[in-house]
Amino acid sequence: DQQVKQNSPSLSVQEGRISILNCDYTNSMFDYFLWYKKYPAEGPTFLISISSIKDKNEDGRFTVFLNKSAKHLSLHIVPSQPGDSAVYFCAAGNQFYFGTGTSLTVIP
Amino acid sequence: NAGVTQTPKFQVLKTGQSMTLQCAQDMNHNSMYWYRQDPGMGLRLIYYSASEGTTDKGEVPNGYNVSRLNKREFSLRLESAAPSQTSVYFCASSGQGSSKNIQYFGAGTRLSVL
Repeated sequence: DQQVKQNSPSLSVQEGRISILNCDYTNSMFDYFLWYKKYPAEGPTFLISISSIKDKNEDGRFTVFLNKSAKHLSLHIVPSQPGDSAVYFCAAGNQFYFGTGTSLTVIP
Repeated sequence: NAGVTQTPKFQVLKTGQSMTLQCAQDMNHNSMYWYRQDPGMGLRLIYYSASEGTTDKGEVPNGYNVSRLNKREFSLRLESAAPSQTSVYFCASSGQGSSKNIQYFGAGTRLSVL
């Protein structure tokens, strides 16, 4: 039973526009969430995280929003760049559950 | 700065063969992990080691054994490989304190079992 879900397997966005990647979780006890980025033939790399005591965390072009009542988080990338094309995984940190990933393609 | 190193990068096995996937980290991290990634399934935790000398089962441990040889090294063994174990395997490590939840991954081992 998938405890962290990413319902969109893929997303295409024009360069310069906003990319929004979504993630849902089932366990209200999860208190820390992370986003990882993965290029082909490489391991995932940490991108950004958020604690459940916050509802937003920003790092440059990347912002993660957390809606605890909806058990939902999202990653916003603004502006999107072709180098952002990768697979993005969300994860519940302290239990190490990962979503199935969303493949983002940024079209030049 | 090597980070997390996995060997081998690729391996083909016949059903019933055994092999050990090696992982080493040079970041002085306490915790280490083994995941498998399958299409449409994301990353699933096989085993983890919270500290040297301890190991615990993750979500999908059946068919695997692990050894935390020392603080740097964490190996994954397939005693009798099965086609269902065809996957990409990732090793990861994480540190202490405020960054304890952030995992650093190796480049992966692509395993095919025929």
